[in-house]
Amino acid sequence: SQKIEQNSEALNIQEGKTATLTCNYTNYSPAYLQWYRQDPGRGPVFLLLIRENEKEKRKERLKVTFDTTLKQSLFHITASQPADSATYLCALDEAAGNKLTFGGGTRVLVKP
Amino acid sequence: SAVISQKPSRDICQRGTSLTIQCQVDSQVTMMFWYRQQPGQSLTLIATANQGSEATYESGFVIDKFPISRPNLTFSTLTVSNMSPEDSSIYLCSVEEGQGAITEAFFGQGTRLTVV
Repeated sequence: SQKIEQNSEALNIQEGKTATLTCNYTNYSPAYLQWYRQDPGRGPVFLLLIRENEKEKRKERLKVTFDTTLKQSLFHITASQPADSATYLCALDEAAGNKLTFGGGTRVLVKP
Repeated sequence: SAVISQKPSRDICQRGTSLTIQCQVDSQVTMMFWYRQQPGQSLTLIATANQGSEATYESGFVIDKFPISRPNLTFSTLTVSNMSPEDSSIYLCSVEEGQGAITEAFFGQGTRLTVV
């Protein structure tokens, strides 16, 4: 069966350090993968999209890698700040139609 | 980018009653999506709402429990019927915009439902 796995344990990190989150998937062949941020009581907000033929994508302090051989994406927050504290979700497209499937999310807590 | 207004933002309801959640988009979109997010869980797609046709429901969700309306290209409602405490969850509507097969999802702020 298809599965998307993110570390369900919260990631506690000191301000200024790099947070690294993992998204692993099985039985998918996604054309692209997306990362979203979700704050408590709010809907997810799109951050980054990476295509299957892209190895790495950057946006300000965020970096995403996509390894289709390992079936894994890594999401990095460099020089982390307390304002980066949130839950981060990865999402993959389904093969048929524009239907996204989301991972369970990883909560990040950046301590000052 | 699409702006989505969803209401109510939260409600506490008695079991056995129904709640209708409204979703308004600031642009015309072909498909609108309704998700459920149970506490500590990820988003689960309930159904896809197309204007002018019946909604398409995902496995485990049925129209009698979650009737959906889509009267025009900017508006949709989701009703949670005959509620039980197990329906306590956050319900989110979403639209997708993009080019070709690559799309980005935009979400409303969600409706936090508590059934007592």
